[in-house]
Amino acid sequence: SQQGEEDPQALSIQEGENATMNCSYKTSINNLQWYRQNSGRGLVHLILIRSNEREKHSGRLRVTLDTSKKSSSLLITASRAADTASYFCATDSLSVRGAQKLVFGQGTRLTINP
Amino acid sequence: NAGVTQTPKFQVLKTGQSMTLQCAQDMNHEYMSWYRQDPGMGLRLIHYSVGAGITDQGEVPNGYNVSRSTTEDFPLRLLSAAPSQTSVYFCASTYMSSYNSPLHFGNGTRLTVT
Repeated sequence: SQQGEEDPQALSIQEGENATMNCSYKTSINNLQWYRQNSGRGLVHLILIRSNEREKHSGRLRVTLDTSKKSSSLLITASRAADTASYFCATDSLSVRGAQKLVFGQGTRLTINP
Repeated sequence: NAGVTQTPKFQVLKTGQSMTLQCAQDMNHEYMSWYRQDPGMGLRLIHYSVGAGITDQGEVPNGYNVSRSTTEDFPLRLLSAAPSQTSVYFCASTYMSSYNSPLHFGNGTRLTVT
């Protein structure tokens, strides 16, 4: 079952603008992760935010987490053509063996227009 | 530094045929997993392993077998392929099986079952 759901499903902006993607989830989490997927490639980890953190930065990326609303947002500032990709949020759950199981949302397809 | 290597990159099977998707990692990761990615469905966990000799089912395990005889390798077997198994398959690993460990993904195997 899907845990995270991204919104919007697709986003098209001009180069230089900021892009914001949202993720909502249903059950309590220990951390939430964001990944990027370029066309035809595997996913690449961008940033991890723990449940006791509210905001985290990495370069042009800013992630927020609101556990009371069970939601997260990913902001990409000063977008570039190379940011064109699909972006996924992933939430964790623990298996009976105590192993991490990441559950991914359906993703947001971001297009940066030159 | 190869990371996570998946072979083959593309495969076409006829219904009922069997095949093995290979996954190898050279990072000494204890945790390995298989996901399938379908349009509009995001990534869904098939099987995962927390170490050699230990495997567990994910969200969509039916029709797939796995084994983990070494730390490096985690093959995924389709015993009798069905058109519903047409998908892109991703192998992912991480250095620890508990929380807060980002996944490293291979570049995927695109499988078509006719």
